[in-house]
Amino acid sequence: RKEVEQDPGPFNVPEGATVAFNCTYSNSASQSFFWYRQDCRKEPKLLMSVYSSGNEDGRFTAQLNRASQYISLLIRDSKLSDSATYLCVFGTGANNLFFGTGTRLTVIP
Amino acid sequence: EAGVTQSPTHLIKTRGQQATLRCSPISGHTSVYWYQQALGLGLQFLLWYDEGEERNRGNFPPRFSGRQFPNYSSELNVNALELEDSALYLCASSFEGLSNQPQHFGDGTRLSIL
Repeated sequence: RKEVEQDPGPFNVPEGATVAFNCTYSNSASQSFFWYRQDCRKEPKLLMSVYSSGNEDGRFTAQLNRASQYISLLIRDSKLSDSATYLCVFGTGANNLFFGTGTRLTVIP
Repeated sequence: EAGVTQSPTHLIKTRGQQATLRCSPISGHTSVYWYQQALGLGLQFLLWYDEGEERNRGNFPPRFSGRQFPNYSSELNVNALELEDSALYLCASSFEGLSNQPQHFGDGTRLSIL
């Protein structure tokens, strides 16, 4: 079983739509959770950390469900500039970070 | 604040040669990580250096090696290059070697093996 399972997509949504991605992890010792964004042929950039109580940053909301071992990312009012690949990342301590393969999002005018 | 810088941007080598990739972390960051991102695959963890020492390595053969210098910059060396080593190599740095510290990535070095 893979450490991280992430739907590769692609997700094609119209501007203004709400879209959500989930990402599951298999290691129950995972302690830290992040979402990264990677544009085509660019490096990943931290989008947001994911906290136990859930957290919001503008149009982006991240949630953690420890019981079911997944994190989610919700994007409201999608913009064209949101088109990118979104990577989920889990850390288990000892700095072992596991990256998902990414979910590709395309926002259509 | 300058971000993580990597050089060269592109590197073209032939099978059997050796490649050296360089990375400078964000000022104040002591941990440096190396990842391989092959076409169609996710980020694969290669190496983690902190305070000049190798702390962890991923599931890669010994011909992938590196080091971290006193100024926290780092080198990744790949010996006896193979075709499947063609990939984007990303370096990241974090403030401390803790998994709750997010990593910040450089632009990467695109290594092509002919």
